[in-house]
Amino acid sequence: EAGVAQSPRYKIIEKRQSVAFWCNPISGHATLYWYQQILGQGPKLLIQFQNNGVVDDSQLPKDRFSAERLKGVDSTLKIQPAKLEDSAVYLCASSLDGAITGELFFGEGSRLTVL
Amino acid sequence: LAKTTQPISMDSYEGQEVNITCSHNNIATNDYITWYQQFPSQGPRFIIQGYKTKVTNEVASLFIPADRKSSTLSLPRVSLSDTAVYYCLVGDMEVSMNRDDKIIFGKGTRLHILP
Repeated sequence: EAGVAQSPRYKIIEKRQSVAFWCNPISGHATLYWYQQILGQGPKLLIQFQNNGVVDDSQLPKDRFSAERLKGVDSTLKIQPAKLEDSAVYLCASSLDGAITGELFFGEGSRLTVL
Repeated sequence: LAKTTQPISMDSYEGQEVNITCSHNNIATNDYITWYQQFPSQGPRFIIQGYKTKVTNEVASLFIPADRKSSTLSLPRVSLSDTAVYYCLVGDMEVSMNRDDKIIFGKGTRLHILP
């Protein structure tokens, strides 16, 4: 079974530039999550989709971050303009809706460095 | 959402049994207890989940006392490759558009296995 795919794995940009990350969840998984993980900390939920609808985006800095999940499959997370404090690993995860276990399957992440 | 408390770090030796305890005093009736493992440069990986008493799989055991205010992840006979960060999460994993719950990762426990 193919896992959660993310790209790019690494990205270096200067502050005020923009960046986009892409995620392809496990086939058939209705729920998709974007997490931000700063070095030394646990992952922090940015946004959660159920199919193509947003369930929770309360911790998404909406003045600079945006995310979409068109057609309820792939998702894109964009940062514009980037700040130094956005340097982190951006993790995408998916889960099978309705599963009592609610297990999250994570991708390898996209590491962003903002200079 | 129940807050969790776990040790920041632990050291152990190869071949030993490691027990990591997580406190969750305000766990709710519908909450499950889930543990994830994260290696450097990878996303977290599901280890085990339980509701009460004891759960065992090929990787670990999870012990949950009757009051469910804490849980203990037990890793039998650890090896160097078990060096990782371990996260304890508590919550109702069922997705609902009407919920405020988030799947929150704390800082986790950094387990370092020594030869």
